[in-house]
Formats: sequence, structure tokens, C-alpha cells
Amino acid sequence: GESVGLHLPTLSVQEGDNSIINCAYSNSASDYFIWYKQESGKGPQFIIDIRSNMDKRQGQRVTVLLNKTVKHLSLQIAATQPGDSAVYFCAETSFYSGYSTLTFGKGTMLLVSP
Amino acid sequence: KAGVTQTPRYLIKTRGQQVTLSCSPISGHRSVSWYQQTPGQGLQFLFEYFSETQRNKGNFPGRFSGRQFSNSRSEMNVSTLELGDSALYLCASSFGRASGRGNEQFFGPGTRLTVL
Repeated sequence: GESVGLHLPTLSVQEGDNSIINCAYSNSASDYFIWYKQESGKGPQFIIDIRSNMDKRQGQRVTVLLNKTVKHLSLQIAATQPGDSAVYFCAETSFYSGYSTLTFGKGTMLLVSP
Repeated sequence: KAGVTQTPRYLIKTRGQQVTLSCSPISGHRSVSWYQQTPGQGLQFLFEYFSETQRNKGNFPGRFSGRQFSNSRSEMNVSTLELGDSALYLCASSFGRASGRGNEQFFGPGTRLTVL
């Protein structure tokens, strides 16, 4: 498959472990944040989102935490599975762009060993 | 429903040529955004079209342009190709509403452009 990044930080975990992927964002005006998953040869796929008036949001096996004070996002994946292996990106956007302009972080490659 | 489709999937061009990439959004979506993905710069926003009008523009030179048709399909064009234009070009479609979660962007698989 295609490589989407040659200079990405990599997180290697064992199947069943919990994974935590971190992201720092830059724009104080951003009020909506999204985590995307990108598998080889595919476009980014929505995982979970969070508005700036929240500090935590849970989905199925995933949790996003937002710390606006230090402009930090994290994605927690519970009971990580080999199918979770992919590159994960955080993205920020704002009302001022009509929520149509996404600014992406650099990405983290997650490798899950069986 | 059918997802976002992009054509062609792979393209090889030489420096100085121009290229046109196509994106068909999800039915009902009126907004199409384009992104460039490279190993060095990551994912960068190019521009967004809504109802045939460019609504947002990223920080790319004028060689990069786009348009949107009345059926919401979009094309992007890169003229006078440079080696650094080699990248994966992604388009994303959405309803285009300014309401955050209601404006979830769905990405296509991308067009891999190689400039020799």
C-alpha cells in the first residue's frame, strides 16, 4: 500500500492493550476537533469529534480528551486490535471557516501486533 | 450510499505539464474541499467549493486552481508542474453547513500524482 508519511512518530502496542495518541493544536480560535484514521491506500476516515465546550467525549472503544488550556487533544483506543493499525490524524476547524477548512496535525502511525 | 470518488487514482506527469483531477462528491453534498498530502508537509488544505463558488482558500500558489460544477462535481488543476507537486491529492465532500458536526467531511481515496 501507499505510505502516507515517512517521518511520522510511531506507537507500537500489543493487541488488547490500550493506546493513547496525542496531538497539539495551534489555533486558539478552533472550536471543533476531529480525529481521523487513515489506512494504507485510503483517504482519512472520521473516528470521533469534540466541540470546544467539552473536555471529553466517548465513542465505541474510543475516547477523545480536550485540554484547551494547553491546546492538547488525545485519542484513547481501548483493547486495541490489529485492524486499528493505521495513521491517526487530529484536525481542527472553526466557525470562522464555516467548519469547511480542516487543519491537520502531522499524524501518528499506530502499529498493533497480534 | 456511494462514497466520494476520485479519478484517476494514479497519474504520472513530467515537469512543466499541467494536470486535472476530478472528484465526485456524495450525493446531496454541496461542498467539496481539496487537500494535498505529502510526507514532509502532511495534509494541507488547498481550497473549498460550495455551490460552484470558491468559499475558502489555503496557502498555495496560483498554479493550483479548481472549479465546481452545478452537479457539485469538482475538478482541480495544477499548471506548470514542479517536482514538489508530487503528492496524494484528496478531496472531501460535506453538506457544507456551518454547524460543526453537521458538516462532517467524507474523504475519497485520493489521486496519487507523481511528477518526473
